[in-house]
Amino acid sequence: LAKTTQPISMDSYEGQEVNITCSHNNIATNDYITWYQQFPSQGPRFIIQGYKTKVTNEVASLFIPADRKSSTLSLPRVSLSDTAVYYCLVGGNQGGKLIFGQGTELSVKP
Amino acid sequence: KAGVTQTPRYLIKTRGQQVTLSCSPISGHRSVSWYQQTPGQGLQFLFEYFSETQRNKGNFPGRFSGRQFSNSRSEMNVSTLELGDSALYLCASSPSGRGGFTDEQFFGPGTRLTVL
Repeated sequence: LAKTTQPISMDSYEGQEVNITCSHNNIATNDYITWYQQFPSQGPRFIIQGYKTKVTNEVASLFIPADRKSSTLSLPRVSLSDTAVYYCLVGGNQGGKLIFGQGTELSVKP
Repeated sequence: KAGVTQTPRYLIKTRGQQVTLSCSPISGHRSVSWYQQTPGQGLQFLFEYFSETQRNKGNFPGRFSGRQFSNSRSEMNVSTLELGDSALYLCASSPSGRGGFTDEQFFGPGTRLTVL
């Protein structure tokens, strides 16, 4: 499984756009890139998944360059409730096995 | 649809005891995975069950075991508890047999286990 590297922590203010970049130099051809969000004392929640280029849903966008060695999760206009840990995961079909890295602790301030 | 439910939510045990945790997946989901989360090690995969069979296993000792029933409900058991087993145990279910990164995992709220 490809190892991921992401910042340990980030600070932002309400209303700003937040971009969290994840590095995954050893990504394999059949690997997908998935982001999860976790609030304290809760289970992680799926945010978005992509394979290449750009994916957008109602809560976030995921940008993946052509070489797929990195990806950027973009959260538009964050609010205090977006304060959480964000995990970048990379892998293929592992039959339900997710490998979580350290994650990025995002703190949104008023 | 109801989400993934886990019981109990909190549990206190002493060293040497054994514990059984329960997970009810989202209706229709056939894959159930278990994870351990600690401040030091983060989120670690324990095992995954699909159609009552263990399909994947993480790097945990044999004291950690699990099973899945015909209705997809799952239990995990930890025998001979150690202090280091204190953790949040999370269960996740997914809808299809593909599993892994092409399949969204839905997590429950977890069971907080404290070993004294």
